[in-house]
Amino acid sequence: DVKVTQSSRYLVKRTGEKVFLECVQDMDHENMFWYRQDPGLGLRLIYFSYDVKMKEKGDIPEGYSVSREKKERFSLILESASTNQTSMYLCASRRGLAGGPDFGPGTRLLVL
Amino acid sequence: DAKTTQPTSMDCAEGRAANLPCNHSTISGNEYVYWYRQIHSQGPQYIIHGLKNNETNEMASLIITEDRKSSTLILPHATLRDTAVYYCIVRGANTGNQFYFGTGTSLTVIP
Repeated sequence: DVKVTQSSRYLVKRTGEKVFLECVQDMDHENMFWYRQDPGLGLRLIYFSYDVKMKEKGDIPEGYSVSREKKERFSLILESASTNQTSMYLCASRRGLAGGPDFGPGTRLLVL
Repeated sequence: DAKTTQPTSMDCAEGRAANLPCNHSTISGNEYVYWYRQIHSQGPQYIIHGLKNNETNEMASLIITEDRKSSTLILPHATLRDTAVYYCIVRGANTGNQFYFGTGTSLTVIP
């Protein structure tokens, strides 16, 4: 089974801090994704990557950046955290264009 | 990608079949139907997907109507652990990497 792991389940940060959310998958998937999930809004795609060092903006990239230096790792960076970035962050990976993505357990981020 | 419509919430008695409907009337010929579920505070979990034929796996069955405008996910013997939000997603096989999750159906399995 694909295993997608995220570095933290819960995180509390202060406004203005730089925040790193790490995601690792162990099945050699080409594609990796970062979503955020908020009540009433469903999952919204922030960024995705289809290869090492490649990235594409999703629907809501503002305030975020990403890094993919190795195939198995996809990092989401909040350059200067703000309270409206308090959310559940979900990482996913997918092999090619077939099948559906596999998700990690999520990181619940609280920005104070 | 085609838009999907699902009921906001449903209840099901433990041990009975749970039938979760999804309408996707604008689906096109090369678009697949995917089902995911999300148990509270966890990441979404893949359940099943199909194109036009009915599909079954160890978790569920997927019934797609002949005109493909709607589908039903069937959990044959619902348990309390099946209480979750169920998402129906329609997307093409080769239309990039976007998977649009709506707000899904919140299924409550009642003892």
